Amino acid sequence: SAVISQKPSRDICQRGTSLTIQCQVDSQVTMMFWYRQQPGQSLTLIATANQGSEATYESGFVIDKFPISRPNLTFSTLTVSNMSPEDSSIYLCSVALDNRVNTEAFFGQGTRLTVV
Amino acid sequence: AQSVTQPDIHITVSEGASLELRCNYSYGATPYLFWYVQSPGQGLQLLLKYFSGDTLVQGIKGFEAEFKRSQSSFNLRKPSVHWSDAAEYFCAVGAGNQGGKLIFGQGTELSVKP
Repeated sequence: SAVISQKPSRDICQRGTSLTIQCQVDSQVTMMFWYRQQPGQSLTLIATANQGSEATYESGFVIDKFPISRPNLTFSTLTVSNMSPEDSSIYLCSVALDNRVNTEAFFGQGTRLTVV
Repeated sequence: AQSVTQPDIHITVSEGASLELRCNYSYGATPYLFWYVQSPGQGLQLLLKYFSGDTLVQGIKGFEAEFKRSQSSFNLRKPSVHWSDAAEYFCAVGAGNQGGKLIFGQGTELSVKP
């Protein structure tokens, strides 16, 4: 299994500013992902964080708005840039220990972001 | 494209009653299916998963799910609900050929009456 620590757990931010969310895993993992959960909604995949290269973004998400870093196999950051109230969501980091299609995904407890 | 539908947004059951949460998927090949639970303020916890073999899958906390290919369904069941089961439940399907990448249903919020 994997234990995931996300920081901060919550934040209230002013519109137009940026927030960087950190995801730390207690072991080396192959796959890391970032999801968004808007209020009352399901989880939507933002991107796959690739170690040592640019993240792979899902349709509707762009690097300028959600820059992602992954410098090693245990750590990643997601930045929410130029925030607006519509960015108020829970952002979750997820990891998988390997790339097998049937592998389990583990989740952090999320970062609850409120933009005012 | 893969998709997951959870038809019930909110379900209320009495403590001790049985529970069934519905999940329908759309996927061209053999799906990899998961049920996760999200308690208030918590991350997601895996309840159970189906990859192949026996279509009735046992999970944690007394949950089970049955894969029915003919109905494209993977419904979650529990014979007797406890108050602590109140939470949000998400059905998910593995997305493509990349491990850990999931497509989630809309979620079903479960309330438990005393």
